[in-house]
Amino acid sequence: DVKVTQSSRYLVKRTGEKVFLECVQDMDHENMFWYRQDPGLGLRLIYFSYDVKMKEKGDIPEGYSVSREKKERFSLILESASTNQTSMYLCATTAGTRQLTDTQYFGPGTRLTVL
Amino acid sequence: QKEVEQDPGPLSVPEGAIVSLNCTYSNSAFQYFMWYRQYSRKGPELLMYTYSSGNKEDGRFTAQVDKSSKYISLFIRDSQPSDSATYLCAMSGGNFGNEKLTFGTGTRLTIIP
Repeated sequence: DVKVTQSSRYLVKRTGEKVFLECVQDMDHENMFWYRQDPGLGLRLIYFSYDVKMKEKGDIPEGYSVSREKKERFSLILESASTNQTSMYLCATTAGTRQLTDTQYFGPGTRLTVL
Repeated sequence: QKEVEQDPGPLSVPEGAIVSLNCTYSNSAFQYFMWYRQYSRKGPELLMYTYSSGNKEDGRFTAQVDKSSKYISLFIRDSQPSDSATYLCAMSGGNFGNEKLTFGTGTRLTIIP
């Protein structure tokens, strides 16, 4: 079974703080994704990565950056947290095999509150 | 207009009823369709996937895709209280695993014992 873990389930930060959210997967998957989930808006892609040290912007990258120094770890960074970044953050991975069965596996999520 | 539209509900049905969940989409390039189930305070988990048009059955769950109408459905037979969750449809262009998914907003379902 694929295991995707996220560093915190709940996090409370103050406006202006730098925030790190970590995602770790144990299945040697190539691709990793960061989404945020908000009521009425669903899941929106922030950034994704196809390989170590590679990153691609998703639909809403503003205010975020990412880091992938090792294959199993994908970090989401909020450079200066703002209240409109209060959300549920979800990490996902895919193997990258281009097979029909290669779909996204999600972590449990981090609920971030910015005060 | 959103690429994927999904009625947010909430939807409440009695135990044992047949549940129908639906999404419509506008991007004709979508070929790969998925349904995820998300329990409260958890990440989404894949329930079913289908490629192109047609039906797929897995136990009490049936997924249908009608590409001509740009409409997908998930049917749950003999619904159980454990089926209470938010159901998300998702779709992509077919570069399996190597491109982003576009999600619906999710339908919150409650099965009443």
